[in-house]
Amino acid sequence: SQQGEEDPQALSIQEGENATMNCSYKTSINNLQWYRQNSGRGLVHLILIRSNEREKHSGRLRVTLDTSKKSSSLLITASRAADTASYFCATDARGATNKLIFGTGTLLAVQP
Amino acid sequence: GAGVSQSPRYKVAKRGQDVALRCDPISGHVSLFWYQQALGQGPEFLTYFQNEAQLDKSGLPSDRFFAERPEGSVSTLKIQRTQQEDSAVYLCASSPYRLAGGREQYFGPGTRLTVT
Repeated sequence: SQQGEEDPQALSIQEGENATMNCSYKTSINNLQWYRQNSGRGLVHLILIRSNEREKHSGRLRVTLDTSKKSSSLLITASRAADTASYFCATDARGATNKLIFGTGTLLAVQP
Repeated sequence: GAGVSQSPRYKVAKRGQDVALRCDPISGHVSLFWYQQALGQGPEFLTYFQNEAQLDKSGLPSDRFFAERPEGSVSTLKIQRTQQEDSAVYLCASSPYRLAGGREQYFGPGTRLTVT
């Protein structure tokens, strides 16, 4: 079963705008990761945030983590058409450190 | 360098047929994972190998699913007597780390299985 849910399920924005996606999860975690999946292709790792971190940046990406609410957000600034993809959060639950548990994903469409 | 490769990329099977899906991980990667991704959903864990040892197969949905990695490199996921509910994309991922859940995993492009 999925670890949690992401919202929105789908998001459509214009190039240059910011996109925010949220992820909620169910169990205590060690780390949370975000992956991108382009249509018909495998997943690509974007960023990892550890449970003792609250915020992390990588280029145009900003991730926050609130372990008290069991939630995370991914912000993509100054979006580009090439950012069009599905975005998934993934956690490794404490006591089950050898697998990732994925959320349901957000489908982002960036209109040129 | 070469990433994770999977073959075939597409497979159509008639209900009841057996299929074998291949994964070539990145050379030297200790950990190998199989995930199943249904249409419109996130990937779901099937099984995990550390070298040739299958340490976790808790996600395999039935005894029709079998995975192996006999020499600690290439892995094969076999599905016997395929059913329509087996239709999905099967993703393989590898990692150079033993405790790979807390690290980046490198995914292949997947095999899209359609059971008719």
